[in-house]
Amino acid sequence: GENVEQHPSTLSVQEGDSAVIKCTYSDSASNYFPWYKQELGKGPQLIIDIRSNVGEKKDQRIAVTLNKTAKHFSLHITETQPEDSAVYFCAASINTGTASKLTFGTGTRLQVTL
Amino acid sequence: EAQVTQNPRYLITVTGKKLTVTCSQNMNHEYMSWYRQDPGLGLRQIYYSMNVEVTDKGDVPEGYKVSRKEKRNFPLILESPSPNQTSLYFCASSLRGGAKGYTFGSGTRLTVV
Repeated sequence: GENVEQHPSTLSVQEGDSAVIKCTYSDSASNYFPWYKQELGKGPQLIIDIRSNVGEKKDQRIAVTLNKTAKHFSLHITETQPEDSAVYFCAASINTGTASKLTFGTGTRLQVTL
Repeated sequence: EAQVTQNPRYLITVTGKKLTVTCSQNMNHEYMSWYRQDPGLGLRQIYYSMNVEVTDKGDVPEGYKVSRKEKRNFPLILESPSPNQTSLYFCASSLRGGAKGYTFGSGTRLTVV
């Protein structure tokens, strides 16, 4: 089955700096890569996603890049703010025909310090 | 408001005492799923359901049961909880099983002593 590795497990940056979280996946059939943000006491929420036919996608201060050849994808957050502090999960999905199975990374706790 | 509702939010129980965590969605989603979240392990799928009366095992189904008698509800049942089932549990749903559009509940923190 699919295996998703995520690094780093914790990341501390100063407000205004950039943060990068990296994930690798094992199954070349994976074709959808979402990123989730989990704030304290809440469930994960989708913040950005990318499909395998696209190399990069941006949404304001966040961007995701995908390298299919190397089987890795990354989340980039620029101009970090205290409200970006949360746990971030990457995931990879294989469309099985009847359902898509999401396999999650182990999470990155991002702390943005003042 | 479109949402996935889990109850209870917090639960402390003793080993062997049967319990049920409820999950309900109001979006008419066909697909529902349960995950457990453990430090250093991320989110792992326990069971999922493609539609009413259709359920299947995820990656870590041992010790859990589910049922899907109605489209909106997908309860998670622990017949005989053990301490290794202490975890944070999330229910999620999506329209037709597509990974895009997953909506998660707020979580249930379960402690088994």
